Amino acid sequence: AQSVTQPDIHITVSEGASLELRCNYSYGATPYLFWYVQSPGQGLQLLLKYFSGDTLVQGIKGFEAEFKRSQSSFNLRKPSVHWSDAAEYFCAVGGNGGSQGNLIFGKGTKLSVKP
Amino acid sequence: DAGITQSPRHKVTETGTPVTLRCHQTENHRYMYWYRQDPGHGLRLIHYSYGVKDTDKGEVSDGYSVSRSKTEDFLLTLESATSSQTSVYFCAISEGEGDEQFFGPGTRLTVL
Repeated sequence: AQSVTQPDIHITVSEGASLELRCNYSYGATPYLFWYVQSPGQGLQLLLKYFSGDTLVQGIKGFEAEFKRSQSSFNLRKPSVHWSDAAEYFCAVGGNGGSQGNLIFGKGTKLSVKP
Repeated sequence: DAGITQSPRHKVTETGTPVTLRCHQTENHRYMYWYRQDPGHGLRLIHYSYGVKDTDKGEVSDGYSVSRSKTEDFLLTLESATSSQTSVYFCAISEGEGDEQFFGPGTRLTVL
């Protein structure tokens, strides 16, 4: 079955510290992978995406993610977190082999930032 | 930002009443989606459309219907709203199957 797992429901980091949010997926075909961010009361904004090629992808707001096929993972990283990064983050998988051809979302990781 | 609007942005209604939410796009994207977002459940797909008059069910379609009579509009209807349908509803669009999706601002629906 196709699925996305974000093992951490809530993470708290100090401002200036590094961040890694975990995402594991199960998918029957070559996956397209995405990270979205949602600020309170807002819609989802695309941070970055992986379709093919270089397994380390750069996104907006200083985020990056690394696709590791052997581990079925697509973890999101940022070297130095800012208070404005506090939000909820969603990993998603899609592709031509997806269920109904659509994206499958993880349940999200809420990030809190301590001053 | 992708041109996606949702209306209304907030609605309070009573159990048993019909409700229609509208999603409008200006991007001419083929695919449109309706999700609901609830704490602890993330985003769950209700229905989606892959073209005018072409729609299909998602994970949580019971109690919902959709229509797409033109490319730019995708309507979600709750025929008889129930309290379990209190949620935040998001519309999304994409160019192709499995592609990145762009989201609207959401509609907060409360069913009393």
